[in-house]
Amino acid sequence: DGGITQSPKYLFRKEGQNVTLSCEQNLNHDAMYWYRQDPGQGLRLIYYSQIVNDFQKGDIAEGYSVSREKKESFPLTVTSAQKNPTAFYLCASSIDTGNEQFFGPGTRLTVL
Amino acid sequence: ILNVEQSPQSLHVQEGDSTNFTCSFPSSNFYALHWYRWETAKSPEALFVMTLNGDEKKKGRISATLNTKEGYSYLYIKGSQPEDSATYLCAFKGSGKIIFGKGTRLHILP
Repeated sequence: DGGITQSPKYLFRKEGQNVTLSCEQNLNHDAMYWYRQDPGQGLRLIYYSQIVNDFQKGDIAEGYSVSREKKESFPLTVTSAQKNPTAFYLCASSIDTGNEQFFGPGTRLTVL
Repeated sequence: ILNVEQSPQSLHVQEGDSTNFTCSFPSSNFYALHWYRWETAKSPEALFVMTLNGDEKKKGRISATLNTKEGYSYLYIKGSQPEDSATYLCAFKGSGKIIFGKGTRLHILP
């Protein structure tokens, strides 16, 4: 089945630790995205990638890093520099940046 | 700073009634406007991708219109049903990155 997966669904980390969230798609999409959702807020773009080996900062990139070494994978690292990392993280992909996005199930990160 | 505004923020509608809500976006450098439905405990799913001024799209009881010159899109739901309860997001794609609105949270009352 084609789709986009994120793992894990829930993640707990101690303050000061880096953590990497996984995002994989087998839709053959060029573009991939990471969003963060907080209560009362919409989706805020962290990073996006239009094509493999390329990525750009979104609106709230500080404290995050990404890589796009393979077309199927776009992992997000939440570093210790991110001041308020507890949130719900959504990954998405699309054929290109103008087309509809397909979203993964999300990862809820809690930093203790 | 590009802004995408959705109104109202929240809406309660009696089952069977029709409703609509608005997405406002920059009127310059338009490429596409997306509508998504986000049900609780699920991922957002695309409803419509609209690219041309004057576009009208329909999927069952849900339809959308687009005015790129004045920078707004309306989403209409006819004869609301309980399964329509969700957050409806719009997203603007211009020459840069895609920008999401904060959504309209729709509650259908039995």
